[in-house]
Amino acid sequence: GQSLEQPSEVTAVEGAIVQINCTYQTSGFYGLSWYQQHDGGAPTFLSYNGLDGLEETGRFSSFLSRSDSYGYLLLQELQMKDSASYFCAVRARMDSSYKLIFGSGTRLLVRP
Amino acid sequence: EADIYQTPRYLVIGTGKKITLECSQTMGHDKMYWYQQDPGMELHLIHYSYGVNSTEKGDLSSESTVSRIRTEHFPLTLESARPSHTSQYLCASNRAGVAGELFFGEGSRLTVL
Repeated sequence: GQSLEQPSEVTAVEGAIVQINCTYQTSGFYGLSWYQQHDGGAPTFLSYNGLDGLEETGRFSSFLSRSDSYGYLLLQELQMKDSASYFCAVRARMDSSYKLIFGSGTRLLVRP
Repeated sequence: EADIYQTPRYLVIGTGKKITLECSQTMGHDKMYWYQQDPGMELHLIHYSYGVNSTEKGDLSSESTVSRIRTEHFPLTLESARPSHTSQYLCASNRAGVAGELFFGEGSRLTVL
């Protein structure tokens, strides 16, 4: 089967750095994506790691270790608008097709 | 910004009614998806399509059906709505060969009384 684990809630202070971890168990693994979703809004794509290592996009970075079945999203210089839910999602090949399987999400609360 | 649209955004209906949730994208994407999401929970894939006349069921069993007659249009239908169908339904699309990045619509929040 497929499973992803990420913390349900994280709280951090404005201007700080926060790391959201994601561990997964899946067959046919191809890569790990991260999405941001504000309350009542649509998920928006943040990053994708197909290979081990760190990918940086502005204030956000994402890391993948295939050998550890582990990844994380790093948010720097936190802003109030970063308060949202963050989902990791595994891209896996199953039944001759690629699918994106989402974790249960981490709710990030940024305090002043 | 992604050009993928869902209607209606909000719908409250009675049990037994037939409903269709519309999803259209103007990006020419081959692949389209329907996810179901309860508040504060993960997204579950219920249907997907890799092109015209191609539809497959996702990982979460759903009583809904879909069709893909045109590339840009991927409607979802519930023949007889029940309270257990109350949820948010999110449509998404991506281009073949682009890994891991989906463009989502704003969602259709369905309440069945």
